[in-house]
Amino acid sequence: NAGVMQNPRHLVRRRGQEARLRCSPMKGHSHVYWYRQLPEEGLKFMVYLQKENIIDESGMPKERFSAEFPKEGPSILRIQQVVRGDSAAYFCASSPPSLAGAYNEQFFGPGTRLTVL
Amino acid sequence: SQQGEEDPQALSIQEGENATMNCSYKTSINNLQWYRQNSGRGLVHLILIRSNEREKHSGRLRVTLDTSKKSSSLLITASRAADTASYFCATWGPGGYQKVTFGTGTKLQVIP
Repeated sequence: NAGVMQNPRHLVRRRGQEARLRCSPMKGHSHVYWYRQLPEEGLKFMVYLQKENIIDESGMPKERFSAEFPKEGPSILRIQQVVRGDSAAYFCASSPPSLAGAYNEQFFGPGTRLTVL
Repeated sequence: SQQGEEDPQALSIQEGENATMNCSYKTSINNLQWYRQNSGRGLVHLILIRSNEREKHSGRLRVTLDTSKKSSSLLITASRAADTASYFCATWGPGGYQKVTFGTGTKLQVIP
């Protein structure tokens, strides 16, 4: 069973371009989470998605950032018109379905390191 | 501000010594987890302790939780060079879904 996969592992963009980060959850996992890690800092929650639904996007900037988790295919984190401050490592985690209120361990991908020139 | 704050921010020890890291948090939690992150890599889940537990062991790891003080500690015994990494605590609180909040991390260096 492959772990959480993210691609690309490294992404370089110029200011104003778009960045698309992909996350394929573990097999059988229907919950996906995106986190951002700035240099020398911990991970900050961005968004929590289930298949075709955004459950909580309270950690995501209101503008330029969007996320989706379609019925088929990977979850996508999209950053439009990137700025230097978007340079960070973006981690995706997945967990299996669970009962409401029940915790399930999140399994993390290796991350995508975005550099904005 | 961060829900979890690790202390110290950095720790350097000799191989074979024990390493202790602390984590403090602000709001009530359902459980607390510790993760390890090697430089430039993703996170590896180490251990989870529930709010009704006080101590948990896993191999060379020992985690304690004091909910009255809203703090946890991670002890790594007989450290090895391979333990060199950043260690994060993360809390999962009531709220009905799985939003995990991470601390800022302790950078551990184990010198061979």
